[in-house]
Amino acid sequence: DIVMTQSPDSLAVSLGERATINCKSSQSVLYSSNNKNYLAWYQQKPGQPPKLLIYWASTRESGVPDRFSGSGSGTDFTLTISSLQAEDVAVYYCQQYYSTPPGFGQGTRLEIK
Amino acid sequence: EVQLVESGGGLVKPGGSLRLSCAASGFTFSSYSMNWVRQAPGKGLEWVSSISSSSSYIYYADSVKGRFTISRDNAKNSLYLQMNSLRAEDTAVYYCARGPVGFDYWGQGTLVTVSS
Repeated sequence: DIVMTQSPDSLAVSLGERATINCKSSQSVLYSSNNKNYLAWYQQKPGQPPKLLIYWASTRESGVPDRFSGSGSGTDFTLTISSLQAEDVAVYYCQQYYSTPPGFGQGTRLEIK
Repeated sequence: EVQLVESGGGLVKPGGSLRLSCAASGFTFSSYSMNWVRQAPGKGLEWVSSISSSSSYIYYADSVKGRFTISRDNAKNSLYLQMNSLRAEDTAVYYCARGPVGFDYWGQGTLVTVSS
């Protein structure tokens, strides 16, 4: 099984500042035949289901603000929020869908400093 | 508008059974793989099971293999999870989610509590 590990576990950032969350997979999630990274990012606010933000490691889901961006390839990935807004307070998860089981990282709690 | 609505959760004793349902609307259900994901209270997300669009491929997490059965009825736009031999550690909110390129739509979840 591919193990997903996020860092840090929690993060406090000032409003308007950049927030960076890292995700590392125990093996590559890059599929060589199509050069796509099978990696997604989700945002979960309290009492709500997760919301897909990013797929293919860097493709923003429709309607997601452009302050959210994803980068990385192979085994190392990053979710960046360029200018933190109050509504971005949430837990963020990465997930690989390269192989079954499609595992999630443990989550990163993002708060306002 | 895509909608996924789970039902069937509740309080059950250890060793008991429950059947969860997920009613889908707003998209061609028969064209998508579907998934169950659970979240124990205060914990992270755990994938439980997946089923391909035509039910040809079915997968389970090791933690539920042999106890849970996923199924779907494309004529009824519905996804199911039959849960047997329930344990305290199965207590969680259970979400259905549409796949396969990331899970792009999720239901609101249904709470399953396993307790005596």
